[in-house]
Amino acid sequence: DAGVIQSPRHEVTEMGQEVTLRCKPISGHNSLFWYRQTMMRGLELLIYFNNNVPIDDSGMPEDRFSAKMPNASFSTLKIQPSEPRDSAVYFCASTKSGPNQPQHFGDGTRLSIL
Amino acid sequence: GDSVTQMEGPVTLSEEAFLTINCTYTATGYPSLFWYVQYPGEGLQLLLKATKADDKGSNKGFEATYRKETTSFHLEKGSVQVSDSAVYFCALSVSQAGTALIFGKGTTLSVSS
Repeated sequence: DAGVIQSPRHEVTEMGQEVTLRCKPISGHNSLFWYRQTMMRGLELLIYFNNNVPIDDSGMPEDRFSAKMPNASFSTLKIQPSEPRDSAVYFCASTKSGPNQPQHFGDGTRLSIL
Repeated sequence: GDSVTQMEGPVTLSEEAFLTINCTYTATGYPSLFWYVQYPGEGLQLLLKATKADDKGSNKGFEATYRKETTSFHLEKGSVQVSDSAVYFCALSVSQAGTALIFGKGTTLSVSS
């Protein structure tokens, strides 16, 4: 089975540019999560969706960040405008709904804002 | 609020040494507990889990027992290998409806031959 697929794997861009990260969850999974990982703050949950509906976006750092899930097989995380402090590895994860379900992670997008 | 506390790393061991990575939690409900592993350049992978008190999760020689009385879920392995070098995350899930996890900060393990 295909796992969670993220693209791009690496992104380098200049500050002020718009950045769009993409995620395809595992088929049949109806919960999707976006995380950010940095050395300083570790792994932070940014937002998660159940059945394409955002449930908790309290981890989104600022209005520059937005996430969408237009259908069950695709989600985007957008940063506009980007800043150097947004540099991090961004992970997407998906899971089936219900108790005790493990999350399945993609390989992440390493984002560098110059 | 709910939280997970892991021992700080890095943990450096020789091959075949015994490993313990401590994890304690705070939760208002009855959480499920997980250990995830992250190899360099990859995402997190589920290593093992336990869903109720006294459950023991195990996988690839790793074990962890859900101890409600000490609110702990320590990860152990009797004989580590170089290939076990990675970052290990303890996590909990309290919500029954959603499946958001709360992660610890991670513990880096480095095993040398």
